[in-house]
Amino acid sequence: EVQLVESGGGLIQPGGSLRLACAASGFTVRNIYMRWVRQAPGKGLEWVSVIYSGGSTFYADSVKGRFTMSRDNSQNTIYLQMNSLRAEDTAVYYCARGLSPPHDALDIWGQGTMVTVSS
Amino acid sequence: DIQMTQSPSSLSASVGDRVTITCRASQNIDTFLNWYQHKPGKAPKLLIYTASSLQSGVPSRFSGSGSGTDFTLTISSLQPEDFATYYCEQSYSMYTFGQGTKLEIK
Repeated sequence: EVQLVESGGGLIQPGGSLRLACAASGFTVRNIYMRWVRQAPGKGLEWVSVIYSGGSTFYADSVKGRFTMSRDNSQNTIYLQMNSLRAEDTAVYYCARGLSPPHDALDIWGQGTMVTVSS
Repeated sequence: DIQMTQSPSSLSASVGDRVTITCRASQNIDTFLNWYQHKPGKAPKLLIYTASSLQSGVPSRFSGSGSGTDFTLTISSLQPEDFATYYCEQSYSMYTFGQGTKLEIK
């Protein structure tokens, strides 16, 4: 079964760090692009980051320089390292799988992990 | 950055109704436009990709159209399970979601 399972969320103080993980099953993460998308309470969906099959990464301006997305092919897992966290980073974080090129959409999503940034 | 504007922001409709949601891009995005359905506490679900391609397993009552800057998502006959929030997303230049359209039961 094709599946994504996120972990690592929790309550963290402003300025702190957290690492989210997204374990994939049923497919190989190195062969496809993956993204993180978040939803703040009461808000809409917001793209956070992407990692392409070649390993290149890109970030939304709101997290650039603070968040780092990476991939461990041996674990078939992607990560989101979040540093210098702010209250506005509070959200449910979803990882999602991209369709095969040339289509650029997210066909498989995890259930999400909640990150709360508060003192 | 490309901005995506959906309308309406919310919509009340009845089972069996035909519903149309529109999405406008701030610049030409060709057909790099996707539609997702999102229910509270659930993972978002891909409905339509590349403006008009129906994702596998999605009922045929969902359809998408448009190109350039103007796009529509149509549900031909609303079913009880369709009440949710719908988002468009551009993938022409990085990614941007619309603000969402909440579809509620009348």
